[in-house]
Formats: sequence, C-alpha cells, structure tokens
Amino acid sequence: DAKTTQPTSMDCAEGRAANLPCNHSTISGNEYVYWYRQIHSQGPQYIIHGLKNNETNEMASLIITEDRKSSTLILPHATLRDTAVYYCIVRVAYGGSNYKLTFGKGTLLTVNP
Amino acid sequence: DVKVTQSSRYLVKRTGEKVFLECVQDMDHENMFWYRQDPGLGLRLIYFSYDVKMKEKGDIPEGYSVSREKKERFSLILESASTNQTSMYLCASSPNRGETQYFGPGTRLLVL
Repeated sequence: DAKTTQPTSMDCAEGRAANLPCNHSTISGNEYVYWYRQIHSQGPQYIIHGLKNNETNEMASLIITEDRKSSTLILPHATLRDTAVYYCIVRVAYGGSNYKLTFGKGTLLTVNP
Repeated sequence: DVKVTQSSRYLVKRTGEKVFLECVQDMDHENMFWYRQDPGLGLRLIYFSYDVKMKEKGDIPEGYSVSREKKERFSLILESASTNQTSMYLCASSPNRGETQYFGPGTRLLVL
C-alpha cells in the first residue's frame, strides 16, 4: 500500500489560506490521491481527489507535484469551521476491481480567530 | 447531496448481546462499507458490499457479520458483543467501485 506522511498538526489564521502538505513517495501511476476531513465526532467528509492534474472545487484546491510524490491541499480562505483532522489518502486497488481507502492519522488543522 | 444515515449516534450494550447497526443511503449507490475508528489506529475496513446480497470481508471482519437485503440498506451485526468492540462505527457508500466514498455521521458504541 502507498503510505502517506502528513504533519501531525498545523495552525492557520482565520481568513488566510491553509496549505496542508502530504508526501506519498511510493504512489503508483494509477493511484489517486484523496483528501477527506473529519470534524470532531462526525463522519469523514470528502473534499477532493486527483490523479495527475491540479484540481479545484468549491471547497478546496489540490496541487499534485509532477513526479506525484507529494501534494498540497489548499483551503483558500480558512474559517473557524474548517478546524478538523485532514486526511490525505492514496486509494489502492486490491482483489481485482475493489478499492480501499486507508486512513492514516491525518493533520489536525486549527484555525485561529 | 449524498445522504448516508446511521440508525443511532450513541449506543450502549452489554457483553454478549446481539447488536445491529443500520445504515441507509438515498443515492442509489452500488457499494456500501462498514469501518470502525479507534484512537491511534485510524479507520479500518470491516466489510463491504458491492451489490444486494453480496458481501466481502475487509481487513478486520472477525466478530462481525453483515446483511444487505436491499440496495439502500447495509447492516452490521455483532453476534455477541465484546468490550473490545467498543468503538466508533462508520458507514460509507459509493456509486461504483473505486469512486468517492461518502460517510455517515457514525455510531459510537460502548460495550459494557
């Protein structure tokens, strides 16, 4: 399984951009990078995913390096409600056409007023 | 919006009881999953189902079984609850294999 490495915690000021890094140096060519977040005592919430190209949606942007060994999730204008644990996940295939998400420990992002 | 609901947010059961955790999704998704989440261990896949009446074991199926009689409903069953099954249980669904999984709010189960 491709493993991901994230900082344990980060702080960000409200209204500023939050840039969350992730290393996935053993990722394979057809494996997607997914980002989820989990607010305390709730289920994980899907944010964004990508393969090679940068992606943007209403929640965030995902920047993947050309060698695909790392990525950065960008929350352009962080709010207090963005305080959560953010998980960077490499989706791996197994058993034919099955896939699984392996959640690591993630990054606790704290947005400060 | 995808809606995944779980029958209870909090549940307290006694050792040896049979426990049913229910999950319902309203988006006609093919695939459904059950995970448990424990501090320091992250989310671990218990079982998943890619069609009605189909099921496959995940990484930690021991002590659990599942049922999928209807497409929208996926049940996790603890045949004889034990204290080491105290955990947060999360259900998820996805439209097709490999596509984005959407999670429910979770059920925090305490087994005494």
